[in-house]
Amino acid sequence: EAGVAQSPRYKIIEKRQSVAFWCNPISGHATLYWYQQILGQGPKLLIQFQNNGVVDDSQLPKDRFSAERLKGVDSTLKIQPAKLEDSAVYLCASSSIRGRRFYNEQFFGPGTRLTVL
Amino acid sequence: SQQGEEDPQALSIQEGENATMNCSYKTSINNLQWYRQNSGRGLVHLILIRSNEREKHSGRLRVTLDTSKKSSSLLITASRAADTASYFCATDANAGGTSYGKLTFGQGTILTVHP
Repeated sequence: EAGVAQSPRYKIIEKRQSVAFWCNPISGHATLYWYQQILGQGPKLLIQFQNNGVVDDSQLPKDRFSAERLKGVDSTLKIQPAKLEDSAVYLCASSSIRGRRFYNEQFFGPGTRLTVL
Repeated sequence: SQQGEEDPQALSIQEGENATMNCSYKTSINNLQWYRQNSGRGLVHLILIRSNEREKHSGRLRVTLDTSKKSSSLLITASRAADTASYFCATDANAGGTSYGKLTFGQGTILTVHP
């Protein structure tokens, strides 16, 4: 079974530029998550999709971050414009649902390391 | 906000010793999960314990959960150098008996196992 795919693996940009990350979850996983992990901290959930609908985006800085999952499969996360404090690893994860809203463990991709100069 | 608080922040042991990491949380949970993250790699799920379970084993891993104290511990027995990694607990909050699959991670424990 193929894992969660992410690209690019690394990205260096200057502040005020825009950047986009791509994620392809495990086949059949309806739930997709984007996390931000700042160095030395645990991952922080940015947005959660159920198929192509947003379940939770309460911690997404909506003035500069956006995400979509148009066909309910792969997803993109965009930052525009980037700030220095956006430097972090952006992790994508997916999971399946057992029964009604009993979630199983999450499977993570390798992440994209973003450096904003 | 980070719900889980891990203790210790860093742990250094010799190969063959046991390693114990603790996690405390604040709100009612549906389940608690432990993940491992090697340097430069993504997170890997280790074990999930549901709120109605008190102990769970998986290979050299033993997890306990005390919902009255809102705490959990992860024990790695007979540690190996390959166990060197950061370990995170993550809580899946309880919402009327079901979960929404939203995990809140702690800050993690950095484990170093010396050969």
